[in-house]
Amino acid sequence: ETGVTQTPRHLVMGMTNKKSLKCEQHLGHNAMYWYKQSAKKPLELMFVYSLEERVENNSVPSRFSPECPNSSHLFLHLHTLQPEDSALYLCASSPQRESRDTQYFGPGTRLTVL
Amino acid sequence: SQQGEEDPQALSIQEGENATMNCSYKTSINNLQWYRQNSGRGLVHLILIRSNEREKHSGRLRVTLDTSKKSSSLLITASRAADTASYFCATAPRGTYKYIFGTGTRLKVLA
Repeated sequence: ETGVTQTPRHLVMGMTNKKSLKCEQHLGHNAMYWYKQSAKKPLELMFVYSLEERVENNSVPSRFSPECPNSSHLFLHLHTLQPEDSALYLCASSPQRESRDTQYFGPGTRLTVL
Repeated sequence: SQQGEEDPQALSIQEGENATMNCSYKTSINNLQWYRQNSGRGLVHLILIRSNEREKHSGRLRVTLDTSKKSSSLLITASRAADTASYFCATAPRGTYKYIFGTGTRLKVLA
């Protein structure tokens, strides 16, 4: 256990559905991240939050909408997704938003878009 | 090639043998980290090596860093079946906080 939990672990949704992914960290960290991992592709950084403020949005389509209500929780709201959005979505946290800090990952949510 | 590229893409060895994986990157970095990922799960941090360090050990893991060649290697000694996983290097280009991950090396240790 890394201290970062994600729910649900698996999600199947249609293109017209709206769903949310949840991430919670119990480490007292100030920075949280969403990554997308597709088969045979490098991890893609999607969003970065530092002290509940979004500090990075890596050209992610608007059908992905993050929310960080406090430093322990991070959500990824999904709507009108495409089949190519099927992937493993990983949440991570780190003490600060600094390169010297190790990032701790959750187990991921396996998303399938039909 | 891209920042943080692992080599080989796949590696299959017998239990008890050593496994070596390499990582190459393109820009100057603050540090380099190695992570392990079991199939379909999250990444687990293994070791961090700073740009002013050349070698670091952690249990059966040995990591080297050659900043002149912009490369790093991860050596797992006396491998076990439980070491079967994908291994990723992650680099943060100097001046940034964003880690860039490679596509990983898939290691299979046969019992």
